[in-house]
Amino acid sequence: GESVGLHLPTLSVQEGDNSIINCAYSNSASDYFIWYKQESGKGPQFIIDIRSNMDKRQGQRVTVLLNKTVKHLSLQIAATQPGDSAVYFCAEVMDSSYKLIFGSGTRLLVRP
Amino acid sequence: EPEVTQTPSHQVTQMGQEVILRCVPISNHLYFYWYRQILGQKVEFLVSFYNNEISEKSEIFDDQFSVERPDGSNFTLKIRSTKLEDSAMYFCASSEEGHANTDTQYFGPGTRLTVL
Repeated sequence: GESVGLHLPTLSVQEGDNSIINCAYSNSASDYFIWYKQESGKGPQFIIDIRSNMDKRQGQRVTVLLNKTVKHLSLQIAATQPGDSAVYFCAEVMDSSYKLIFGSGTRLLVRP
Repeated sequence: EPEVTQTPSHQVTQMGQEVILRCVPISNHLYFYWYRQILGQKVEFLVSFYNNEISEKSEIFDDQFSVERPDGSNFTLKIRSTKLEDSAMYFCASSEEGHANTDTQYFGPGTRLTVL
């Protein structure tokens, strides 16, 4: 069936440290994955995406890693800042679909 | 930077009443979506819409729900007879292209619907 889940519901990190948020997916037909950030009272905001033919993609301070063998996705945030505090969702997409299938979210708390 | 807007930010209604949630997608986008998020739960897909037709919908999107593009800028979600379990945050999204694996969906800030 379709399911995207997260291992850690809450992650607390010290400002300046690196953060790693994990996500497991179960649908091997998914070929595109996205990380969204949701701040309180706002809609999901696109962070970074990766296609299934890649295993790593880097953005500004963020890196997404994809391990298709174990169906695992991670988001790494370098030098975490207070503004990074939010809920992070992974989402998967199956080929030719219009819909995003979201995971349950991880709350990232950045300690000053 | 262009963004998706939604009104109202919060809607309170009585069970059984009809509600219309409004969205203005990004102006050059052609594909529109509604998602919902029940408090504390994950974001769930409701429906996608292109060229005045529904292109995909979920099991949640039953006969009580409908969508419309009444003019060149607005995209609406109507719930005909609201139930308590319809209470949620409703997000509109839009994208330039359709299939979710080819183009980014941009989300609005959401409308919080409370059904009493």
